[in-house]
Amino acid sequence: GAVVSQHPSRVICKSGTSVKIECRSLDFQATTMFWYRQFPKQSLMLMATSNEGSKATYEQGVEKDKFLINHASLTLSTLTVTSAHPEDSSFYICSARDVLAGARDEQFFGPGTRLTVL
Amino acid sequence: GNSVTQMEGPVTLSEEAFLTINCTYTATGYPSLFWYVQYPGEGLQLLLKATKADDKGSNKGFEATYRKETTSFHLEKGSVQVSDSAVYFCALSDHSGAGGTSYGKLTFGQGTILTVHP
Repeated sequence: GAVVSQHPSRVICKSGTSVKIECRSLDFQATTMFWYRQFPKQSLMLMATSNEGSKATYEQGVEKDKFLINHASLTLSTLTVTSAHPEDSSFYICSARDVLAGARDEQFFGPGTRLTVL
Repeated sequence: GNSVTQMEGPVTLSEEAFLTINCTYTATGYPSLFWYVQYPGEGLQLLLKATKADDKGSNKGFEATYRKETTSFHLEKGSVQVSDSAVYFCALSDHSGAGGTSYGKLTFGQGTILTVHP
């Protein structure tokens, strides 16, 4: 149980285009999903907290107009990188929290999406 | 703000050696503490956790004790295996946030690469 999937696993796009990444909780409902960015050999940096049915909360320094987050259902959140540039190339990881889980602070992570912007 | 500091890697050990990966934290209040593991090509998986002072988390032979007095959560294993080769992340969970909207935000350490040779 507690499986989180991401799609696509890898994407290569041209500079200036937009890319959408999906995060799904496959066997549980998630009122809250988190989006992280991981640079090579570095830690995960939280980008935003996504709550179902409401606007995402972005961390300081993260451009909300560039990284659009939608959490329309209890099992799906999407991250759209708009007008992507080479500096947006990174590994994007989502996680989800199980609404019904007794341990409210446990997150389940997706396998990540490798974005390369040419 | 919250922060997590891990010992720098990479760590290279022979099979059956003793492992320690140091982790210290700074936080307001009383966070939960976690160790996550990321195997090559996979997403983060929760390895163990502790939710209050003096709690010991354990799983797959790994252990870590929540030491409030030293603000530490060091990871240990008595005898490592080749299959333990992975990146290990120490993290803490923020319990603040009105309405629970930011409850469970994770702050990660920089990660420690462990390589175990036969």
